[in-house]
Amino acid sequence: NAGVTQTPKFQVLKTGQSMTLQCAQDMNHEYMSWYRQDPGMGLRLIHYSVGAGITDQGEVPNGYNVSRSTTEDFPLRLLSAAPSQTSVYFCASSSTTSGGTGSYEQYFGPGTRLTVT
Amino acid sequence: AQSVTQLGSHVSVSEGALVLLRCNYSSSVPPYLFWYVQYPNQGLQLLLKYTTGATLVKGINGFEAEFKKSETSFHLTKPSAHMSDAAEYFCAVSGSGSARQLTFGSGTQLTVLP
Repeated sequence: NAGVTQTPKFQVLKTGQSMTLQCAQDMNHEYMSWYRQDPGMGLRLIHYSVGAGITDQGEVPNGYNVSRSTTEDFPLRLLSAAPSQTSVYFCASSSTTSGGTGSYEQYFGPGTRLTVT
Repeated sequence: AQSVTQLGSHVSVSEGALVLLRCNYSSSVPPYLFWYVQYPNQGLQLLLKYTTGATLVKGINGFEAEFKKSETSFHLTKPSAHMSDAAEYFCAVSGSGSARQLTFGSGTQLTVLP
């Protein structure tokens, strides 16, 4: 299993450009999510999905769109990039089975480092 | 609502010394608690988690954490630091109502001195 994969690893955009960050998982996980990591702020949830066709907003959704057409893929779209979106973006997925504990371990991708100039 | 506070954004220890990284949480429901480690330019790796049952949780690489409900704490410890432990550590909490949504602390950068 490749686990959670993200592309690209690095990206530089100009203000106003749009792009899509790709995320895929091969573990048949229903739950997928996107976080951004900024220095001194930990990771903050952008959007998440509990299954194909179902998405919802997290803590910092403005400026980002998501869709979930398949179980495997959960792309994150930046509609009009701004310097404030310079960050490291992580995709994560988790199993629907918790072993009876009610907890769902999340698996993280390697991240995409985005710079907006 | 839930939140996590990690005391100390930077911690330095000597190789062989005790590692103690502090985490306090708030949660309106019984929490599930996690420690993740991030090595430079990599993603996050789960070190350990508390869900239910035993309050002392053992994880990978010799780390352990103790859930103390009365203190709302989940501090991470390791008896003897190794150079390879140098990384950033994140404490996270999720609640039973939205068990897969994690709220992270701001992270603690651990430096291990020779």
